[in-house]
Amino acid sequence: DTGVSQDPRHKITKRGQNVTFRCDPISEHNRLYWYRQTLGQGPEFLTYFQNEAQLEKSRLLSDRFSAERPKGSFSTLEIQRTEQGDSAMYLCASSTQGRSYTFGSGTRLTVV
Amino acid sequence: QKEVEQDPGPLSVPEGAIVSLNCTYSNSAFQYFMWYRQYSRKGPELLMYTYSSGNKEDGRFTAQVDKSSKYISLFIRDSQPSDSATYLCAMSATGGGNKLTFGTGTQLKVEL
Repeated sequence: DTGVSQDPRHKITKRGQNVTFRCDPISEHNRLYWYRQTLGQGPEFLTYFQNEAQLEKSRLLSDRFSAERPKGSFSTLEIQRTEQGDSAMYLCASSTQGRSYTFGSGTRLTVV
Repeated sequence: QKEVEQDPGPLSVPEGAIVSLNCTYSNSAFQYFMWYRQYSRKGPELLMYTYSSGNKEDGRFTAQVDKSSKYISLFIRDSQPSDSATYLCAMSATGGGNKLTFGTGTQLKVEL
């Protein structure tokens, strides 16, 4: 297993466009998390899944954001009608029921 | 006020120095404490994981937790240029799906 994989690594989009990111977790991990990190800040929690169920969403996750994890495997994070304030690194992580996360390398979103 | 406070640095030390990195927190529910290392344009990588108060050592790294003072530390002995990175503290409470709350990160540079 090669760890948590995120695609694409970098996305540049025009304001108002929709974007979708993909995360492939470590195969035996049942929990999957999305975080957002802006320059000079630590990652901030967005949402997490246990298997296919989305169990918690942060207030940071506005109505323009939606995440799915069909069949409890890979996950997608979609941002509709992107705004310049959405520019950030979007990090995916996975874990088992324990406490140790493995993060992916992230998708860097630039909204112009 | 943020739940987790961390001095952003930057911190510059000579090779071989002992480095001390610290975080304070305000949420008494935090029970699990972690230190992550993040290289530029990469995802965070777990360095140390501790539960409740006490010390934990792993090679050149020592993590300390003082729950009475709501203060955690990471010490790096015999620092190397390859230790140059951003160090993030993170914490979670029992329950809550292992959601992590991060500090802002301290940027460390170890110079030859």
